[in-house]
Amino acid sequence: KAGVTQTPRYLIKTRGQQVTLSCSPISGHRSVSWYQQTPGQGLQFLFEYFSETQRNKGNFPGRFSGRQFSNSRSEMNVSTLELGDSALYLCASSFWGSSYNEQFFGPGTRLTVL
Amino acid sequence: QQQVKQSPQSLIVQKGGISIINCAYENTAFDYFPWYQQFPGKGPALLIAIRPDVSEKKEGRFTISFNKSAKQFSLHIMDSQPGDSATYFCAASNYSNYQLIWGAGTKLIIKP
Repeated sequence: KAGVTQTPRYLIKTRGQQVTLSCSPISGHRSVSWYQQTPGQGLQFLFEYFSETQRNKGNFPGRFSGRQFSNSRSEMNVSTLELGDSALYLCASSFWGSSYNEQFFGPGTRLTVL
Repeated sequence: QQQVKQSPQSLIVQKGGISIINCAYENTAFDYFPWYQQFPGKGPALLIAIRPDVSEKKEGRFTISFNKSAKQFSLHIMDSQPGDSATYFCAASNYSNYQLIWGAGTKLIIKP
């Protein structure tokens, strides 16, 4: 079974630009969660989608948004980029959701904002 | 109440030694406690998980100890090996959360 894939792996943007990151979950998984990882801050939960519906949202500004398509693929968008948005963005998929289910993570997209 | 506090932030252990990472929580509704392991350049991967109906769970060299009354759980790595060098995250959730609450992570270095 193919694992979780994320594209692109690396991205360099400048302040004020916007960016879209993509995540393809493991086949059959209906839940996709997004996390921001920065050194010393651990994993900060952004949002979770299940069957195309946002089921849970973390404490991030509205510049961060996402969506899920009918094939469970998910995209995350960040508008008006700030220097502080530089981070590793991780996507994780699971069958039902993260509460009791093992989450399978992709390798992440490393975003650098200049 | 939703926090999971993890310590230490970093840990250096000699090869063959025991690595111990601790986590504490406040929300008594939490009833699922996984540990994830992350190697550089990779996403985290589930290492071992425990439910509060048992006080200990062992898988190979990895053991979770759970203390419900103290609201603490810990990861013990016996006979630590250089290949165990990674960042370890504890987490917690309950069924209604739909999300895991994560600790801040512990960077473990095993010295040969």
